[in-house]
Amino acid sequence: NAGVTQTPKFQVLKTGQSMTLQCAQDMNHEYMSWYRQDPGMGLRLIHYSVGAGITDQGEVPNGYNVSRSTTEDFPLRLLSAAPSQTSVYFCASSWGTGIDTQYFGPGTRLTVL
Amino acid sequence: GEDVEQSLFLSVREGDSSVINCTYTDSSSTYLYWYKQEPGAGLQLLTYIFSNMDMKQDQRLTVLLNKKDKHLSLRIADTQTGDSAIYFCRNDYKLSFGAGTTVTVRA
Repeated sequence: NAGVTQTPKFQVLKTGQSMTLQCAQDMNHEYMSWYRQDPGMGLRLIHYSVGAGITDQGEVPNGYNVSRSTTEDFPLRLLSAAPSQTSVYFCASSWGTGIDTQYFGPGTRLTVL
Repeated sequence: GEDVEQSLFLSVREGDSSVINCTYTDSSSTYLYWYKQEPGAGLQLLTYIFSNMDMKQDQRLTVLLNKKDKHLSLRIADTQTGDSAIYFCRNDYKLSFGAGTTVTVRA
């Protein structure tokens, strides 16, 4: 099992550009989520999905879109990047939201100039 | 305010015990978790405690839960250099994480 994979590992964008952060898992997990990590603010939930075709907003969804067309993939789209979106982004997956362990990807470090 | 709060930094001497504290606002969580993040990596589940327990021990780790005060702590006995990391507490309400406590182990 590869676990949770994320691409790219690093990305630099200019303000206004768009891009998609990729996330895939091969554990057949139903639940997937995206977090951003900023110094002193911990991890904040952006969007999550409880299964293919179902997504919902987390704490900080503005400026981000997601879709879940398959169980394996959960891409995060930045439609028009802003400097405030400079952060480290983590994708996670699990069987559910309770006791089940959340498996985290290695992260994508995004800088928006 | 934040759903969970932690102090940001902890420095401890190798071999001593570390205690990382967390307070939370919501009392409806069924489980409370501690995650560890090593430099440049994602988070890994370290341990968890069921909300009707007040203590859980797992090798060098001891989790204490005070539901009355909504206070959770993680004690690491005989702290090693490999314990240097950021530690996050998490509830299962809103899947909120604390800001994380950066633990630095010094020789």
